[in-house]
Amino acid sequence: DAGVIQSPRHEVTEMGQEVTLRCKPISGHDYLFWYRQTMMRGLELLIYFNNNVPIDDSGMPEDRFSAKMPNASFSTLKIQPSEPRDSAVYFCASSARGGHHNQPQHFGDGTRLSIL
Amino acid sequence: AQKITQTQPGMFVQEKEAVTLDCTYDTSDPSYGLFWYKQPSSGEMIFLIYQGSYDQQNATEGRYSLNFQKARKSANLVISASQLGDSAMYFCAMREAQGGSEKLVFGKGTKLTVNP
Repeated sequence: DAGVIQSPRHEVTEMGQEVTLRCKPISGHDYLFWYRQTMMRGLELLIYFNNNVPIDDSGMPEDRFSAKMPNASFSTLKIQPSEPRDSAVYFCASSARGGHHNQPQHFGDGTRLSIL
Repeated sequence: AQKITQTQPGMFVQEKEAVTLDCTYDTSDPSYGLFWYKQPSSGEMIFLIYQGSYDQQNATEGRYSLNFQKARKSANLVISASQLGDSAMYFCAMREAQGGSEKLVFGKGTKLTVNP
């Protein structure tokens, strides 16, 4: 079975450029999550969707960050304009709905983003 | 206050021995789930094991087991018969049922090194 697919795996770009990260969740999963991982702050939830609708975006750091989920099989996380402090590993995860909240989130391999 | 505390930044174990990785949590929600994830040096996040707050028995999954002590609010991961491939970062995470949120809150992680 295909897992969560993220692209690109690595992205190096210059400050001020727009960055778009992409995610394809596991088929049939109705929750999608975007996380950011840094040494300083650990793993942080940025936003999550249920049935393509954003439910909680309280972790989105600022207006430079935006996320969309136009359909059940695709989501994007955009940073515009990018800044060096945005350098991190960005993970996408998806999960099915469990009756007792016991469904694990399955993570993609992450996108390692470096902003120069 | 931190929701998830992992007090061991690093742990060392000899191959074939058992090791316990500590996790304590803080919640007032009677319904919650606890998860452990493994992150090898290659970077992906791998789900290992789940324990629900109402589960009567400790969760087990192959060589992984969870020592769940609800009154102490601890959910320690036990890895039996350690293998070199177990060397990785290990993260404890919690999902609270309150409000129907699907958010996972992660601890800072423990780096496990298995020595030959």
